[in-house]
Amino acid sequence: AQTVTQSQPEMSVQEAETVTLSCTYDTSESNYYLFWYKQPPSRQMILVIRQEAYKQQNATENRFSVNFQKAAKSFSLKISDSQLGDTAMYFCAFMKHPLYSGNTGKLIFGQGTTLQVKP
Amino acid sequence: DGGITQSPKYLFRKEGQNVTLSCEQNLNHDAMYWYRQDPGQGLRLIYYSQIVNDFQKGDIAEGYSVSREKKESFPLTVTSAQKNPTAFYLCASSIPPGQGITNYGYTFGSGTRLTVV
Repeated sequence: AQTVTQSQPEMSVQEAETVTLSCTYDTSESNYYLFWYKQPPSRQMILVIRQEAYKQQNATENRFSVNFQKAAKSFSLKISDSQLGDTAMYFCAFMKHPLYSGNTGKLIFGQGTTLQVKP
Repeated sequence: DGGITQSPKYLFRKEGQNVTLSCEQNLNHDAMYWYRQDPGQGLRLIYYSQIVNDFQKGDIAEGYSVSREKKESFPLTVTSAQKNPTAFYLCASSIPPGQGITNYGYTFGSGTRLTVV
């Protein structure tokens, strides 16, 4: 069974600085997706970034980038130039690759990291 | 605009009462999911449906029931058998896996906060 672990329950960062959120996972699959979702105080889940395991290049979306280490089963999220609007809970999630038949589409989530951006 | 609508935003349940949470989407997605969110535990899958008139149990289905009579709708009933229903419930939808897309991901609703009184 797959598991996702986020070992940092809470983090804080000063506005305009850089912060890295950690995520590790365990799986015997060779091809899969990894996601970072953001849940601000409104509790709306928002997709931040997505990584396909067979792609060696780390995904980047504006100020958000990942460090994907497949052998180490590590998937950290780096937020550059942190903004007050980045204050939220961040979830790391795993899913078997959707192109495999029989895949349920189930997302497996970590416990979440609460990030506070301070002015 | 396409999206997922969950209602109500807040719901209060008395002991022994069944309550139903609504989830409607106009994204033309075949797959729909219900997750439960508790503090410190992330999100856990309750039920999912990949096609109309079919649904499957997730990891924590006991005390819950669902139906999928229409593509757009996937209501969740929290029955009296669910002993600890106080939680935040999230509905999501997606194109079913296996359909050959690459930019795969969920669209989430805004959630329902259920409290036992």
